[in-house]
Amino acid sequence: QITLKESGPTLVKPTQTLTLTCTFSGFSLSTSGVGVGWIRQPPGKALEWLALIYWNDDKRYSPSLKSRLTITKDTSKNQVVLTMTNMDPVDTATYYCAHRPRGYSLLFDYWGQGTLVTVSS
Amino acid sequence: DIQMTQSPSSLSASVGDRVTITCRASQSISSYLNWYQQKPGKAPKLLIYAASSLQSGVPSRFSGSGSGTDFTLTISSLQPEDFATYYCQQSYSTPEFGPGTKVDIK
Repeated sequence: QITLKESGPTLVKPTQTLTLTCTFSGFSLSTSGVGVGWIRQPPGKALEWLALIYWNDDKRYSPSLKSRLTITKDTSKNQVVLTMTNMDPVDTATYYCAHRPRGYSLLFDYWGQGTLVTVSS
Repeated sequence: DIQMTQSPSSLSASVGDRVTITCRASQSISSYLNWYQQKPGKAPKLLIYAASSLQSGVPSRFSGSGSGTDFTLTISSLQPEDFATYYCQQSYSTPEFGPGTKVDIK
């Protein structure tokens, strides 16, 4: 079965760079059409899509955050890494990674449990 | 950017009630509309994709309809485990989620 799990720091200081890792199993990111995305959710607020990487290394970013985001993959390790620069307290949120299935539009059918990242000095 | 709105923002209902949630896109998105359920402290769960297709394993009391700009999620008979927040998401272009609709116990 497909599982995903996020890992990274729980606390970062303002202006620092956040690096999150999504480790997954049950699928391969070398399979045509498959992707892994990142979505975040500030406490008590709605979901916000951040980035997506496809099996062929094609990358998509939220236009509003594009300048601060980088998404990469390590197919051999079954990992996807998201970096976000210049962190601010408003970036405090639970960050999720999720599986984008092949053959569908950009939706997410399996999600990690999420990791809460707090931005504070 | 395509903006998504949902109504109502919250509702109170009883077990057995029929519940309808509306999602509207700021421009036509054809049928590129998905619905998720999220319970407190948990990750979202995909319920409906392509406006009306039921995700595998999701109970048949959930249904979706609509196309273009107006969509609905219907729960035919609300069950205790359905109390949650529901989000729509357009996948026509850069993904955008709606603001959510919280369904709680009356």
